[in-house]
Amino acid sequence: EPEVTQTPSHQVTQMGQEVILRCVPISNHLYFYWYRQILGQKVEFLVSFYNNEISEKSEIFDDQFSVERPDGSNFTLKIRSTKLEDSAMYFCASSEVAANQPQHFGDGTRLSIL
Amino acid sequence: RKEVEQDPGPFNVPEGATVAFNCTYSNSASQSFFWYRQDCRKEPKLLMSVYSSGNEDGRFTAQLNRASQYISLLIRDSKLSDSATYLCVVNPSGGSYIPTFGRGTSLIVHP
Repeated sequence: EPEVTQTPSHQVTQMGQEVILRCVPISNHLYFYWYRQILGQKVEFLVSFYNNEISEKSEIFDDQFSVERPDGSNFTLKIRSTKLEDSAMYFCASSEVAANQPQHFGDGTRLSIL
Repeated sequence: RKEVEQDPGPFNVPEGATVAFNCTYSNSASQSFFWYRQDCRKEPKLLMSVYSSGNEDGRFTAQLNRASQYISLLIRDSKLSDSATYLCVVNPSGGSYIPTFGRGTSLIVHP
């Protein structure tokens, strides 16, 4: 069964540094998403991406964050000037279409900001 | 009122028991609904979609009640491996495709 893959599985970074989280969505999927989940809290939507541009973004997704699809397979989330409160699990997901279709999640990147 | 609400539990049940969870949503125009399962520190995994006519997959049954704006998940003959957090996800309509996750309901199945 096709999977969404994410790298790295765990990233430890000093506060103030930039991190790039990588995702390879399922190949025939058209919509890509990033979510975060702070330990013990619910999954929160960050951003959706379609046709090489952002479709929607949440209030969390401010100027500190950016997404990119640098090639035909990778989908990245960049977090600049990381803060302690950015520590969380970051999940990438993809779906064939946006509406009425379930999303398939990668196994996440645990980001720890020191 | 929160957009998607779930009883956090935990629901502590013996093996073989039947257990049901509900999830209420506030947006009456919501279009699609899903149940995901999340194990500790793992990614959400799709359990089942919830259709207007109901949906059954083995021991799992999902129902949608649009009038009362809730969805339900019924698990029959609980297994130890069913222990997890069950997330309710609601997709809106009207041009926005931002899904809203509930906080999840924790299920513990004991021997």
